[in-house]
Amino acid sequence: SQQGEEDPQALSIQEGENATMNCSYKTSINNLQWYRQNSGRGLVHLILIRSNEREKHSGRLRVTLDTSKKSSSLLITASRAADTASYFCATPPWQETSGSRLTFGEGTQLTVNP
Amino acid sequence: DVKVTQSSRYLVKRTGEKVFLECVQDMDHENMFWYRQDPGLGLRLIYFSYDVKMKEKGDIPEGYSVSREKKERFSLILESASTNQTSMYLCASSSWTGDEKLFFGSGTQLSVL
Repeated sequence: SQQGEEDPQALSIQEGENATMNCSYKTSINNLQWYRQNSGRGLVHLILIRSNEREKHSGRLRVTLDTSKKSSSLLITASRAADTASYFCATPPWQETSGSRLTFGEGTQLTVNP
Repeated sequence: DVKVTQSSRYLVKRTGEKVFLECVQDMDHENMFWYRQDPGLGLRLIYFSYDVKMKEKGDIPEGYSVSREKKERFSLILESASTNQTSMYLCASSSWTGDEKLFFGSGTQLSVL
């Protein structure tokens, strides 16, 4: 079952611009995670935000979470060509704790043009 | 560097063959997962395991089985491969303690002809 849905499906920007991707989910969550996937490779964890947090930063990444709207956004600032990848949001089952299985959205394909 | 290793990067098999996809992690993680990834469908969970010799069905277990005889190794088995099992298969692991994130292998692109 699909928990998260990313929007837009694809995004193309110029180097140096900011990229914003959105994720909506359906049920209550303990945390929401963002992953990145380079073409044809495995996923890499980027950042985790807990249900009691509203915003979190990691380098050029900024994640927000609005539990009332059941949505999250990932902002990549000052994008680089190397940021070209697919980005996925993922959530564990409600009330399950660490290490639990995640449900992923379909992802946003980001292309950063040099 | 922590690692999840999938035995094959690309695999081509014939319909009806029995296929084994192997995954090994070196992080002493309790939990291991198999996902498949298809365009337009995202990642879907096939099977997972929270302990040695333990397995649980995910969202799409039909046509698959798994084996976890050792903590570090989780195998996905296609008993009789079919063309609709052509896909990217991703193995992942995680720990019950500390980080809640998944560590993924590089994936196996399986083509069933």
